[in-house]
Amino acid sequence: DTAVSQTPKYLVTQMGNDKSIKCEQNLGHDTMYWYKQDSKKFLKIMFSYNNKELIINETVPNRFSPKSPDKAHLNLHINSLELGDSAVYFCASSQWTAGGQTQYFGPGTRLLVL
Amino acid sequence: GEDVEQSLFLSVREGDSSVINCTYTDSSSTYLYWYKQEPGAGLQLLTYIFSNMDMKQDQRLTVLLNKKDKHLSLRIADTQTGDSAIYFCAEIPNQGGKLIFGQGTELSVKP
Repeated sequence: DTAVSQTPKYLVTQMGNDKSIKCEQNLGHDTMYWYKQDSKKFLKIMFSYNNKELIINETVPNRFSPKSPDKAHLNLHINSLELGDSAVYFCASSQWTAGGQTQYFGPGTRLLVL
Repeated sequence: GEDVEQSLFLSVREGDSSVINCTYTDSSSTYLYWYKQEPGAGLQLLTYIFSNMDMKQDQRLTVLLNKKDKHLSLRIADTQTGDSAIYFCAEIPNQGGKLIFGQGTELSVKP
């Protein structure tokens, strides 16, 4: 009964490969997010979808493409992986309200590019 | 601009109080948040405070907000070894969905 889940938890791959990370939430939220945490633990938003529509698209290489098939799912596909993509990727979800969007995070996917 | 600052490390003895401080630059945020990250784990929403409040208490946690100085603090009473983690302060400027995080404060609790 995990609220926000991600698969896989660990991903080790070679440079140049293409990989996907999946995220699902069962909180009934309408908004989902992807954040990246680098080796210094710094967290930065990458994308956000509200009701399957892209609403936040930070300066991220084109090799990263999010996809939201429905409100409960947000996937992240990464093409031509580079060493610098090694990081922890967190999915989060919230309900979009005018006053703010309290976000709940998944356990993270630890990506290592060799 | 959007900037959130925290000190990087804090070390306390078990049973003492811990105070983690945060400063932010954007005053448009409706809520300010504290998240906890244990080693190898995800981000757990610890608590949050509405911007028109000065203080919020939740069991061992006390959040203080000074809007004039744009200063937020998290006090943990009777700190336990299980409280050892990284604590992130965060805000969402203009209610725009984008959480802006501080660098995280690594709390080390010594027995």
